[in-house]
Amino acid sequence: AQTVTQSQPEMSVQEAETVTLSCTYDTSESDYYLFWYKQPPSRQMILVIRQEAYKQQNATENRFSVNFQKAAKSFSLKISDSQLGDAAMYFCAYYGNNAGNMLTFGGGTRLMVKP
Amino acid sequence: DTGVSQNPRHKITKRGQNVTFRCDPISEHNRLYWYRQTLGQGPEFLTYFQNEAQLEKSRLLSDRFSAERPKGSFSTLEIQRTEQGDSAMYLCASSYLPGGGYGYTFGSGTRLTVV
Repeated sequence: AQTVTQSQPEMSVQEAETVTLSCTYDTSESDYYLFWYKQPPSRQMILVIRQEAYKQQNATENRFSVNFQKAAKSFSLKISDSQLGDAAMYFCAYYGNNAGNMLTFGGGTRLMVKP
Repeated sequence: DTGVSQNPRHKITKRGQNVTFRCDPISEHNRLYWYRQTLGQGPEFLTYFQNEAQLEKSRLLSDRFSAERPKGSFSTLEIQRTEQGDSAMYLCASSYLPGGGYGYTFGSGTRLTVV
């Protein structure tokens, strides 16, 4: 079974600084997708960024970018120019076409942004 | 389109009572998912539907849990004889078929408290 591990329960960053959240996963598939979701205190999960495993180029969405290392099964999220509104729980998630057709989530990282 | 809607937002029930939650997905989405999330943890998969067919159920979904999606539109999740361990946030999500690779759209969840 696929597993997703987020080793940082909490992270803190100063406003306008850069922070990196870590994620590792375990899979035997070659074709899959990876995601970062944000869950603000209001609890609705929001898709931040998506990576297709067959693409070597790292995905970027404005201030959010990933470092995808397929061989190492690592998928970290970098948030640049952190803003107070970035404070939330961040979840790494895996989706594989042969993995039961569901998203598998990591345990989450709580990000705090200091003004 | 107002996204994925879940009702009620909060439910407090006494142990042993039955509860039912409702999810209205995005109308064009074929797949509908139920997840459970306990405080400070990542969402755990419960079950999913493709149109009206329930295609997969997690081992977390005991005999006290039942889900339906009549006519492939809204879905209900019922918990019979609730236990304190059922206290959690129940999340619903939907996606296109085969949209898992594009992520899901989540609702705001139903928070269940069993007293």
